[in-house]
Amino acid sequence: GDSVTQMEGPVTLSEEAFLTINCTYTATGYPSLFWYVQYPGEGLQLLLKATKADDKGSNKGFEATYRKETTSFHLEKGSVQVSDSAVYFCALISQGGSEKLVFGKGTKLTVNP
Amino acid sequence: GAGVSQTPSNKVTEKGKYVELRCDPISGHTALYWYRQSLGQGPEFLIYFQGTGAADDSGLPNDRFFAVRPEGSVSTLKIQRTERGDSAVYLCASSFTGSHTGELFFGEGSRLTVL
Repeated sequence: GDSVTQMEGPVTLSEEAFLTINCTYTATGYPSLFWYVQYPGEGLQLLLKATKADDKGSNKGFEATYRKETTSFHLEKGSVQVSDSAVYFCALISQGGSEKLVFGKGTKLTVNP
Repeated sequence: GAGVSQTPSNKVTEKGKYVELRCDPISGHTALYWYRQSLGQGPEFLIYFQGTGAADDSGLPNDRFFAVRPEGSVSTLKIQRTERGDSAVYLCASSFTGSHTGELFFGEGSRLTVL
């Protein structure tokens, strides 16, 4: 079945550091790919998405590019802030009408001042 | 309210008891989802409603789990004869158009602990 694998956390960075959180997936066809974020005390919220190969999703300084050849959707940010501290989830929806989001296990990011 | 509301936020019960968890979606959202998140794991799909009907209940783990949405708005997840393995955070989400756009709006969850 479809699955998502994220890099193990937790990740601790200093403010203004470069962030990469790796995400790879297994799915047939061309799934849609997402990054969700959960800030402390809040519900999950969509950060960015890409629906076809080579698309780049971006939001709040974060970017991720849909790489079909490597089945990856790595999340990057050039300069993190303390306010980016949260848990980040990579997810996919299979091609073909499914309504099920399949999530990775999540990566906790802590940014220190 | 403006967001997805879930009650209770915390529920502690004893093994074998019956539990109901409630979700009040964003007004006007026709799609509603239940997910379960165990410790250290990502959310796992349970069931999806489009309007009043359960369009996909393939994620419900067994027949102790049941969910309803009788008027196409509020939904209740019902768990019979609870087991310790049911302990998790139960997440509800709603969407105006469905999850293919990725625009699911999640509540903060109901944390269930079965002793």
